[in-house]
Amino acid sequence: EIVLTQSPGTLSLSPGERATLSCRASQSVSSTYLAWYQQKPGQAPRLLIYGASSRATGIPDRFSGSGSETDFTLTISRLEPEDFAVYYCQQYVTSQFTFGPGTTVDIK
Amino acid sequence: EVQLVESGGGLVQPGGSLRLSCAASGFTFSNYNMGWVRQAPGKGLEWISYITSGSGTIFYADSVKGRFTISRDTAKRSLYLQMNTLRAEDTAVYYCAKWDSGRHCFDFWGQGTLVTVSS
Repeated sequence: EIVLTQSPGTLSLSPGERATLSCRASQSVSSTYLAWYQQKPGQAPRLLIYGASSRATGIPDRFSGSGSETDFTLTISRLEPEDFAVYYCQQYVTSQFTFGPGTTVDIK
Repeated sequence: EVQLVESGGGLVQPGGSLRLSCAASGFTFSNYNMGWVRQAPGKGLEWISYITSGSGTIFYADSVKGRFTISRDTAKRSLYLQMNTLRAEDTAVYYCAKWDSGRHCFDFWGQGTLVTVSS
């Protein structure tokens, strides 16, 4: 079973700052099967990034994803007030879908 | 516009059963694989089940295998989750989600339905 670890657990930043979120896999993951989601309090998750680096429809270009094998990164270039939320990475391999524990981006 | 609307949540005693439904609209339901993901209070996301468009392939997380059953009805454009032998640790918001097989991700999610297992 592939385990995803996200760091840091919490990232305290100010609007306008850059956020760098890490997702590490316990074994190699095809970048094709790595996605990122955003979740705000009381809301359902929303797809941000698929295929490790492709933005979903309607996602602003300040969000970018990168990485390969066991190390993946979600970057928010300049935080907007609406970006303060929890971010989850997720991978898929035959018959198993795994989410990371999440990174909370909160206002410093 | 894609819409997924879950229903059927509520309070149930340990050992009891509950059936969740998810009504789909805004896309050709019969063409897409679907899944259920849950979130315990204050916790992260946990995938629990997946079903292909024709119901030919079904997967479960180990935490629910043998207790939960996923199914779908194309005519009713609905996804279901039959939950038996419920435990306190099954308390969570349950989301249904549409799987995009080309992009390999859950691209649309419902708003969720809360299941509380307590005596």
